Amino acid sequence: AQSVTQPDIHITVSEGASLELRCNYSYGATPYLFWYVQSPGQGLQLLLKYFSGDTLVQGIKGFEAEFKRSQSSFNLRKPSVHWSDAAEYFCAVMNSGGSNYKLTFGKGTLLTVNP
Amino acid sequence: NAGVMQNPRHLVRRRGQEARLRCSPMKGHSHVYWYRQLPEEGLKFMVYLQKENIIDESGMPKERFSAEFPKEGPSILRIQQVVRGDSAAYFCASSPLGDEAFFGQGTRLTVV
Repeated sequence: AQSVTQPDIHITVSEGASLELRCNYSYGATPYLFWYVQSPGQGLQLLLKYFSGDTLVQGIKGFEAEFKRSQSSFNLRKPSVHWSDAAEYFCAVMNSGGSNYKLTFGKGTLLTVNP
Repeated sequence: NAGVMQNPRHLVRRRGQEARLRCSPMKGHSHVYWYRQLPEEGLKFMVYLQKENIIDESGMPKERFSAEFPKEGPSILRIQQVVRGDSAAYFCASSPLGDEAFFGQGTRLTVV
């Protein structure tokens, strides 16, 4: 069964600092990978996704993520964090084969941004 | 094109009552998913539906929970005889082809 691990439950960074959120997955083949962001009391917004091709993917709000097959990782990065980035971030994996597109999520990383 | 619409946004039920959560997918989307978010547990898949069909309900509790996506109208997640442990945020997502899910704002269910 596929699984996703986000090792960091809570990260605090200063505004303007760089950010990296870690995500490791377990899946037999190359999965489809996603990062979502959730603000308090809100739904999930897709930041970026990886299906195939270039392993460095660009997303919205200045985020990017790199797929590393050898490390089974899909870490999210941003060079300079803004106060509005404070939210919870979820990494998710989807079965790339078959016709069932359900997502398996990590438990999330809560990001706090200090002024 | 409106996003995925869920209602109500907040729902309070007493133990033993029924909860009905509604989800209207984005226009043109025929795939609907329900997820449950419990505190500190992330989101867990519950059920995957296409019009009039349940494709995968492996994440649904065996009792009291049911889901439907009729030919006309929204998808409904129904919880009978609610208990305190059902308190959670329930999210619906829809997709045109299945590969990218768009999420609604969620329904926050509180059982008192």
